[in-house]
Amino acid sequence: DQQVKQNSPSLSVQEGRISILNCDYTNSMFDYFLWYKKYPAEGPTFLISISSIKDKNEDGRFTVFLNKSAKHLSLHIVPSQPGDSAVYFCAASGASFMNNNAGNMLTFGGGTRLMVKP
Amino acid sequence: GAVVSQHPSWVICKSGTSVKIECRSLDFQATTMFWYRQFPKQSLMLMATSNEGSKATYEQGVEKDKFLINHASLTLSTLTVTSAHPEDSSFYICRPEGGYNEQFFGPGTRLTVL
Repeated sequence: DQQVKQNSPSLSVQEGRISILNCDYTNSMFDYFLWYKKYPAEGPTFLISISSIKDKNEDGRFTVFLNKSAKHLSLHIVPSQPGDSAVYFCAASGASFMNNNAGNMLTFGGGTRLMVKP
Repeated sequence: GAVVSQHPSWVICKSGTSVKIECRSLDFQATTMFWYRQFPKQSLMLMATSNEGSKATYEQGVEKDKFLINHASLTLSTLTVTSAHPEDSSFYICRPEGGYNEQFFGPGTRLTVL
């Protein structure tokens, strides 16, 4: 059972336009969400996160929106740049994991490959 | 951001040999270590979770006797792939954690088993 899903395996966007990457989750215990960017043969790089007490978090060109009722989050990149071309993973975790000293377990979506064309 | 290193970055070995991968958190103490692997064009899959000084907890389908995890200190964890086979070829990534907002992965280790 996939608790975190990214239904679009790939997305192609023109440079300068907006990229919108979507992520859906099923576990209502998730209360913290993260987006990572990954190049081939490299570890994921943290981009931006959002707590469930918020519905929007912005950092430069990156904005994450959270719709708790729909169990949906999205990452907006604007303007998109060719260097943004990578695989993007959304991840989710629940605060309960922190309380039992089990660390902050993340559940990942399947990833979306973003291609930004010059 | 936190500095996490993995060594080696790429290893090629013959089938049947054992390979040790090191993960170090260079500027914080990692009470918990997560080990992931990623097969080509697939998502990151959690293999195991370990707390410093304790035995690792393995995810379903991950053989604990094949993937030996040692988390003896707060800055070092090792993953040993014992008797590696071609199907173990993958990209192995660690994620040390010392608190709720620690979010940094190691750079990964590519394992190729011939």
